[in-house]
Amino acid sequence: DAKTTQPTSMDCAEGRAANLPCNHSTISGNEYVYWYRQIHSQGPQYIIHGLKNNETNEMASLIITEDRKSSTLILPHATLRDTAVYYCIVRAQRGIGANSKLTFGKGITLSVRP
Amino acid sequence: DTGVSQNPRHKITKRGQNVTFRCDPISEHNRLYWYRQTLGQGPEFLTYFQNEAQLEKSRLLSDRFSAERPKGSFSTLEIQRTEQGDSAMYLCASSLGGGSTYEQYFGPGTRLTVT
Repeated sequence: DAKTTQPTSMDCAEGRAANLPCNHSTISGNEYVYWYRQIHSQGPQYIIHGLKNNETNEMASLIITEDRKSSTLILPHATLRDTAVYYCIVRAQRGIGANSKLTFGKGITLSVRP
Repeated sequence: DTGVSQNPRHKITKRGQNVTFRCDPISEHNRLYWYRQTLGQGPEFLTYFQNEAQLEKSRLLSDRFSAERPKGSFSTLEIQRTEQGDSAMYLCASSLGGGSTYEQYFGPGTRLTVT
């Protein structure tokens, strides 16, 4: 699986959008971008994933650049409960390099301030 | 949906002792994963099962570690002759299928402290 690079930390004000960047310049054509988050003392939680089109669900939006070398996770209205470590993971879904396991980096710590 | 459960949530043991952790996945999930997480790091993959078959083991899984999923439902992870370096959070996850289309659902973890 390709590697990802994320800033160490960022913060945002409650109620504002949180934009979390991720670089994955070596991503392959069959690799998806996944985002998980981990709130303190809990297990990781799946947020969203995508291949090349932008994706949105009830938790967040995922914007992937046209060259697929980077992406941004958007939490539209951050709350204090969104304070967590967010992991960007690249993972092959099928075919050569397909892998069931998740390879986590250190993630980005998002702090939402009141 | 009761989610993935893990027991115990915390375990303190003395170096050299054996410990066993249990994971109960979401029912009907045929894939079960074990990860280990040390302070300040992301989770690291240890092993996974499809039903009762253990399909992959990380090189992190030394000879002192053994995992089982005897009936394709719950799983146990045993660490023999624990060392201080084994102190970590042990996370279990399950997924409905083998393809990466299926996201993994994590349990709350078992925090092991080896004194």
